[in-house]
Amino acid sequence: AQKITQTQPGMFVQEKEAVTLDCTYDTSDPSYGLFWYKQPSSGEMIFLIYQGSYDQQNATEGRYSLNFQKARKSANLVISASQLGDSAMYFCAMREGDDSGNTPLVFGKGTRLSVIA
Amino acid sequence: GAVVSQHPSWVICKSGTSVKIECRSLDFQATTMFWYRQFPKQSLMLMATSNEGSKATYEQGVEKDKFLINHASLTLSTLTVTSAHPEDSSFYICSAPEGQATNEKLFFGSGTQLSVL
Repeated sequence: AQKITQTQPGMFVQEKEAVTLDCTYDTSDPSYGLFWYKQPSSGEMIFLIYQGSYDQQNATEGRYSLNFQKARKSANLVISASQLGDSAMYFCAMREGDDSGNTPLVFGKGTRLSVIA
Repeated sequence: GAVVSQHPSWVICKSGTSVKIECRSLDFQATTMFWYRQFPKQSLMLMATSNEGSKATYEQGVEKDKFLINHASLTLSTLTVTSAHPEDSSFYICSAPEGQATNEKLFFGSGTQLSVL
C-alpha cells in the first residue's frame, strides 16, 4: 500500500489566490514527520514545511501552512497569495521514526502546480 | 542551513562505461546518506541507504552490483553506476539529514542527470 498519496497530478491557480495541495498518508507508527518539498524545473529539492505527529498546532512558514488532520491522516499544503514563481512540482513526504537517523523520506507522486497570471 | 554538494550535475556516457556521482555534506557530518532516483515526471524512489563505515542497504529491486555505494567518510558518499545502459538514464539525487531525529529534514544535493547513449 502506498504510504503517501497525492491525488492531484496537476493544479492550476490564479496569481494572488490561495491553493490547497492534498496529501494523505498511511502509517501505524505513532511517531512520524510530514514534509513538503518543492521541485522546480531545475530539479533541486526545496524544503517548505514540516509537521510532527505530536505537534498540536498546524505548521506555518510564511505563505505556506499545513492543514494537519491527524484522525483523517491528511497533511494538506496551503499556499496563500500564489506567485508565478510557485509554479513547480510539489511533493508530500513522510519520515517514520525511530530517531536512528536511518529512516528515509518516502515521497508521494507529486502535484504539478501552475500559477496563471 | 546545511549544504549538500553533488556533482556532476550532468553526465553523458556511452553504454557499458561506469559513472561515479559524488555527494558531500559541506558543513555537517552525515553518518547516513540516502540515494534516490527519479524518472521523468515521476516521484523520487529510494535506491539505497548508505552508512559511514558499513555496507549500504539497498531497496528491493535495486541491483547492488550495478549501483555501487561507498560511504568512506562522514562527509562523502559516492554512487557508481557500473556498466551503464540506456535504461539507467535518470536523475539521481542524494540527501542527508543533519541529525538523527525524525523531525530532521533531509538536505538534498542538486542532483545528477545521467544520460547513457
